[in-house]
Amino acid sequence: EAGVTQFPSHSVIEKGQTVTLRCDPISGHDNLYWYRRVMGKEIKFLLHFVKESKQDESGMPNNRFLAERTGGTYSTLKVQPAELEDSGVYFCASSQEVGTTQYFGPGTRLTVL
Amino acid sequence: SQQGEEDPQALSIQEGENATMNCSYKTSINNLQWYRQNSGRGLVHLILIRSNEREKHSGRLRVTLDTSKKSSSLLITASRAADTASYFCATVDTGRRALTFGSGTRLQVQP
Repeated sequence: EAGVTQFPSHSVIEKGQTVTLRCDPISGHDNLYWYRRVMGKEIKFLLHFVKESKQDESGMPNNRFLAERTGGTYSTLKVQPAELEDSGVYFCASSQEVGTTQYFGPGTRLTVL
Repeated sequence: SQQGEEDPQALSIQEGENATMNCSYKTSINNLQWYRQNSGRGLVHLILIRSNEREKHSGRLRVTLDTSKKSSSLLITASRAADTASYFCATVDTGRRALTFGSGTRLQVQP
């Protein structure tokens, strides 16, 4: 069974540009989560989908971040426009049920210059 | 201190020794999970312990949970060089779904 996959693995963009990150959860996992780790800080929760619905987006830093999960399968996280402080590693995770193990993808390393 | 604070921040041991990492948290939790991250790679789930459990084993891993002290420990026995990684505890707080991570412990196992 394939694990959680993320694309791209690395992205380097200029400040003000737009970047879209993609996450493919484990097949059959209704719960999908986005987290990020900025330099020197803890891994922080961004938001949680159950199927295509946003259950909790309390961790989204501001309205420059937009997450979608159309059809309840893969998810995208768009940053527009990107700022320097957005640099970090963005992780996606999925779980079969709420409260069970969350399986993480390898992350996307975003560098904003 | 922050939720999921880990201690020590860094640990260096010799192969064959045991490694113990501690985690403290502040809120009421449903469960606590430990993850490993090898340099530049993704998070690998190690073990989940529920709030009504006190101890759990998985291979060379032993996790304890003391909800009265709001703390957990991860013990890796007979460490190997391949255990070199960062280890994170993460809690699922009561009433929430997301993980709250600690700052992690960097473990170096010298061959």
